Amino acid sequence: DTEVTQTPKHLVMGMTNKKSLKCEQHMGHRAMYWYKQKAKKPPELMFVYSYEKLSINESVPSRFSPECPNSSLLNLHLHALQPEDSALYLCASSRLATGTQYFGPGTRLLVL
Amino acid sequence: ELKVEQNPLFLSMQEGKNYTIYCNYSTTSDRLYWYRQDPGKSLESLFVLLSNGAVKQEGRLMASLDTKARLSTLHITAAVHDLSATYFCAVDGGATNKLIFGTGTLLAVQP
Repeated sequence: DTEVTQTPKHLVMGMTNKKSLKCEQHMGHRAMYWYKQKAKKPPELMFVYSYEKLSINESVPSRFSPECPNSSLLNLHLHALQPEDSALYLCASSRLATGTQYFGPGTRLLVL
Repeated sequence: ELKVEQNPLFLSMQEGKNYTIYCNYSTTSDRLYWYRQDPGKSLESLFVLLSNGAVKQEGRLMASLDTKARLSTLHITAAVHDLSATYFCAVDGGATNKLIFGTGTLLAVQP
């Protein structure tokens, strides 16, 4: 299994809603990542988890809250988002803190 | 701060032609990656280049790395329409595996 899965594929939420994005991999990778990608732009790193511990937070606003319940799962909890947070949110994983990152299909988020 | 630049930003080419995409980065790095992204889709890993002079080839794509010049190239040979996509290079920012992506090159192969 060489796949990173993400749910949901699409999400529309209001600015007062609370929602969560989910990412899962069964490749035994011990590093997992959240990226944000706006249209026609490269992905921007948000968070890195290494061995289920948060190792990098790229000064992301607190309305984004990551969680790594176990080595296969990564969540991104969303609360009180702004319309400018609308983007494609990509999850990735890699074997260790170095190595090729494999990306999931993404969740396309629209904040109204 | 590590910066990664790609050029061109947009490339329109005819089928059967050859062309090269360039990726320059500002500080020393151990690893350079090339990814492909189709419209509305995720990123697909193409190549990882780990050392000076590394060259990798897959089909009509060939990537190379010159760490002294801090330059990687992605060469397209005899382009076909199926290669139309956005291509990103990404450089490892250090031990934390923080990837810094280039601006991307939108490749459109015309029949």
